[in-house]
Amino acid sequence: DGGITQSPKYLFRKEGQNVTLSCEQNLNHDAMYWYRQDPGQGLRLIYYSQIVNDFQKGDIAEGYSVSREKKESFPLTVTSAQKNPTAFYLCASSKYDSPDTQYFGPGTRLTVL
Amino acid sequence: SQKIEQNSEALNIQEGKTATLTCNYTNYSPAYLQWYRQDPGRGPVFLLLIRENEKEKRKERLKVTFDTTLKQSLFHITASQPADSATYLCVRRNYGQNFVFGPGTRLSVLP
Repeated sequence: DGGITQSPKYLFRKEGQNVTLSCEQNLNHDAMYWYRQDPGQGLRLIYYSQIVNDFQKGDIAEGYSVSREKKESFPLTVTSAQKNPTAFYLCASSKYDSPDTQYFGPGTRLTVL
Repeated sequence: SQKIEQNSEALNIQEGKTATLTCNYTNYSPAYLQWYRQDPGRGPVFLLLIRENEKEKRKERLKVTFDTTLKQSLFHITASQPADSATYLCVRRNYGQNFVFGPGTRLSVLP
């Protein structure tokens, strides 16, 4: 059963703490993405990676970090430097030669207390 | 910068009618536009892609049009059903892997 998974579904964190969101895919896709979704706004790209050990900043990368040590995994760390981290975070993947169709995970809702 | 505009107001229609959602973009026409469906608290699901040189594209009860003169795409759902109730997102790709998502239009199909 192929797909893309994210965990946890809900995450709470105190101000000043770093937190890591998990994203795993078994679709054998080369490209992976992290988006942030806020109410009334479109998804905004945080980071993306087209191959292992390489990733690029998106429009709102400040306060976030990623790694891509394995093709299947693309974890996102929300650092204490992110000013307004409360949001819905979505991970996606796509084939390298067909980047237009992105497959999204179920999302992680992060709340900073 | 490139923008995608969608009607932020929710669209309510009666079951069996055709729903029409609008997507307007700014600046130059993208090579293609995409439409996704998103249910509350879930990730978006890809529905259709229409290229610049395709005036219209269909998939079952879905139809998408692309008008480069008006800088607009229309998304139609014919014979709408309550199960079609969701938020529909319009997306363009600017360059590389940089996708621009619209805020989405929430559709409610009333039984």
